Amino acid sequence: NAGVMQNPRHLVRRRGQEARLRCSPMKGHSHVYWYRQLPEEGLKFMVYLQKENIIDESGMPKERFSAEFPKEGPSILRIQQVVRGDSAAYFCASSPQGIDQPQHFGDGTRLSIL
Amino acid sequence: SQQGEEDPQALSIQEGENATMNCSYKTSINNLQWYRQNSGRGLVHLILIRSNEREKHSGRLRVTLDTSKKSSSLLITASRAADTASYFCAPNFGNEKLTFGTGTRLTIIP
Repeated sequence: NAGVMQNPRHLVRRRGQEARLRCSPMKGHSHVYWYRQLPEEGLKFMVYLQKENIIDESGMPKERFSAEFPKEGPSILRIQQVVRGDSAAYFCASSPQGIDQPQHFGDGTRLSIL
Repeated sequence: SQQGEEDPQALSIQEGENATMNCSYKTSINNLQWYRQNSGRGLVHLILIRSNEREKHSGRLRVTLDTSKKSSSLLITASRAADTASYFCAPNFGNEKLTFGTGTRLTIIP
């Protein structure tokens, strides 16, 4: 039973380019969460999605960031016109349902902005 | 902001000793979860304890919860080198998202 799969594991972009991060949840999981982690810090919540719906995006920057979880295919976190401050590890997690369930995390995408 | 705060920030112990980490939070919770993160990897769920529970065990792990003091502790008994990792608590305040502190960095000295 495959875990949460994130790709790519490492992504290098130049300032101004777009970054697309992919997350395939565990089989049977319909809830997806994205988190960002800066060095030596904990994970910060960004967005929570269910299939085709954004449920909570309170942690997403208002500009340049967007997320989707289409009916078919992986969840995508898109960062447009990247800046140096976007350099971080981005983690995706999934769960079968909400509050009382543990979240299962992927190994993250490490984004570096040149 | 709503999140757990782990204490201590760093802990080094000899292999075989017990390790205790603490977590404090500020408002009522639905449950509290503990996670482990090895360097360069994602978080691994360890234990979920609900607000009406006081203690929970899983192998060498023991978690306690004191809702009156708004605190939780994670005890790892008979530590091993493989326990070296960062440990995070995530209080759940009744919504879907998890909020993490900066964690406790545990080092087991062989």
